[in-house]
Amino acid sequence: DSGVTQTPKHLITATGQRVTLRCSPRSGDLSVYWYQQSLDQGLQFLIQYYNGEERAKGNILERFSAQQFPDLHSELNLSSLELGDSALYFCASSVAAQETQYFGPGTRLLVL
Amino acid sequence: AQSVTQPDIHITVSEGASLELRCNYSYGATPYLFWYVQSPGQGLQLLLKYFSGDTLVQGIKGFEAEFKRSQSSFNLRKPSVHWSDAAEYFCAVAPMEYGNKLVFGAGTILRVKS
Repeated sequence: DSGVTQTPKHLITATGQRVTLRCSPRSGDLSVYWYQQSLDQGLQFLIQYYNGEERAKGNILERFSAQQFPDLHSELNLSSLELGDSALYFCASSVAAQETQYFGPGTRLLVL
Repeated sequence: AQSVTQPDIHITVSEGASLELRCNYSYGATPYLFWYVQSPGQGLQLLLKYFSGDTLVQGIKGFEAEFKRSQSSFNLRKPSVHWSDAAEYFCAVAPMEYGNKLVFGAGTILRVKS
């Protein structure tokens, strides 16, 4: 158990819908990262937050957005969902912006 | 092109045999280097990491990895594999010029036969 929690574990929804994935970092960690794991793209970095501020952005679609709240938990919002958004979404956290990342168990999203 | 390469998609070894999983990267400066393991339906667990210093690093579960700058490689090894090691293994790098984002290889699926 890494100490990073993610909810929900599984999510099934329809195309065009919007979902929110939640992540709580390890106690004391200030930085949160989001990754997408799909069969065709592998593991891809989406976005990083550090102490509430966006720090780095990867190949995140415009339909996706994220934020980190004052209590340091983070949410990833996915809207206008498409079949191709079906994937495993991981959250990771680290103490500082340049430290080792520890991963949560992931949220498996299925878009039908 | 800047990338992380794990040339072996699948590897099968017998229980008790030694294991080596290969990883090569192509970035200008030596990045931070990591190996993670993912069991079916599970998240990613950190096995070991290299930032600097001794090029042979020890990790959890009896794994070790050796950084070779001249070959831009960071291969993972285990002297004696156990059936519980069957999983997917990912090499990852944090390129200095891209902050702390991790760039992952495609993964190597390890099968252990008894």
